[in-house]
Amino acid sequence: DTGVSQDPRHKITKRGQNVTFRCDPISEHNRLYWYRQTLGQGPEFLTYFQNEAQLEKSRLLSDRFSAERPKGSFSTLEIQRTEQGDSAMYLCASSLVAGGQETQYFGPGTRLLVL
Amino acid sequence: DAKTTQPPSMDCAEGRAANLPCNHSTISGNEYVYWYRQIHSQGPQYIIHGLKNNETNEMASLIITEDRKSSTLILPHATLRDTAVYYCIVRARRSGNTPLVFGKGTRLSVIA
Repeated sequence: DTGVSQDPRHKITKRGQNVTFRCDPISEHNRLYWYRQTLGQGPEFLTYFQNEAQLEKSRLLSDRFSAERPKGSFSTLEIQRTEQGDSAMYLCASSLVAGGQETQYFGPGTRLLVL
Repeated sequence: DAKTTQPPSMDCAEGRAANLPCNHSTISGNEYVYWYRQIHSQGPQYIIHGLKNNETNEMASLIITEDRKSSTLILPHATLRDTAVYYCIVRARRSGNTPLVFGKGTRLSVIA
């Protein structure tokens, strides 16, 4: 399977714990996005990378959230001191930007439950 | 990016065509119409996109009105596996610097 993969698929944690999610994009895609989706809502943008550079962060991305893409390939999203409001599906998408146009392809998501 | 309006839900009989409307009356000349769908508990799946001409691929057809203020996604022979939330999104032509902005979409239920 050459699609976007995410790990883990599900995570249950206690409030106050740190969690880290991983995303492996489609090979050679230079753009990687993180989105968050809560129940009944569409996905909301968190941040994105062009290769290893983090180019934009949403105001949804509080200082407890940090994302990296150290070698321009896989990415990690860490949430420190989790809160119950962080419970959501975290989605990763990748794309190849060419000629200013792109199509984003999504992974299956990581569902986080904070108790 | 222009705002879109979609009905919250629709039903379709299995084997019939599903026609999902989207209104984007404020769309500008350099904006594309994208469609994604999300099957329960999965990530969104890209379906199709277009600028002004009708488009067709193996999944669906996209019909954009001449004034580009609305469009219709057509699933020609809906199956139970097409039950999902369908999102219509408008994006600037040079979309490389913008994330996708999702609304609430249309929940399509395909009924046996």
